[in-house]
Amino acid sequence: AQSVSQHNHHVILSEAASLELGCNYSYGGTVNLFWYVQYPGQHLQLLLKYFSGDPLVKGIKGFEAEFIKSKFSFNLRKPSVQWSDTAEYFCAVSTHNTNAGKSTFGDGTTLTVKP
Amino acid sequence: DTGVSQNPRHKITKRGQNVTFRCDPISEHNRLYWYRQTLGQGPEFLTYFQNEAQLEKSRLLSDRFSAERPKGSFSTLEIQRTEQGDSAMYLCASDPDRGADEQFFGPGTRLTVL
Repeated sequence: AQSVSQHNHHVILSEAASLELGCNYSYGGTVNLFWYVQYPGQHLQLLLKYFSGDPLVKGIKGFEAEFIKSKFSFNLRKPSVQWSDTAEYFCAVSTHNTNAGKSTFGDGTTLTVKP
Repeated sequence: DTGVSQNPRHKITKRGQNVTFRCDPISEHNRLYWYRQTLGQGPEFLTYFQNEAQLEKSRLLSDRFSAERPKGSFSTLEIQRTEQGDSAMYLCASDPDRGADEQFFGPGTRLTVL
C-alpha cells in the first residue's frame, strides 16, 4: 500500500517569502500526484496535479511542483507567498494499477502567512 | 452551484445512535468516494462507487458502517451504534472516470458523538 509523508506540519512565513513544502510517497509503480489546498472554512480543492510528461507542473495562484521520481518526491513551491495563501495543504497520490481514482493523502501542512 | 454537496453539514449525536449522511456528486461523475478526516490528519479512504456498484471498502469501514448509491447518483453513508471514535469530518468526492482525474470534494459533514 502506498503512503504519503509531509515533513512540515506547520510553516509560518512572512509575505513575499518563498515557500517549499515537502512531500514524499512510497510506492514502486506509476503514480498520479496531487496537491490540494483547503482555505479556512472552505472545502478541499485542487491546486495542481501530475499524471505524466513534464515533471515540473504549474498550478493555480502561482504554485508549482516538481516530480522527482528517483526521490519519490513531489514538493510544492511558490516564489512569493501572500497572506491569502494561508491554508492547509495536502499532498496526495493515486496509483495507475487500478481503475479506482482513490487517493492516499498526507497529514497536511498548515501554512500561516503573516502580513 | 454544480459542485459536490453534502448534508447535513454538522451532526451531533449521542453514543449508540444511528446517523445517515448524504452526498450529491457532480451530475456527470460516475465515481463517488467517501473519506474520513480527523483533526491533524489527511483524509482517509473509506469506500468508493462506480455508478451504483460499491467496488472497494477500506478496512476502516467496520460492520457498523454502510454506504449505498442506489441509482448511481447520490450516496448515503450510515453509521449504526455510533461511538465517540466515530467523531470526524466525513468527506465525499466524485470524479468523471476518464482515466486519470482529480477528485472534486464536497464541504464535508462534521460528526460529533457525545
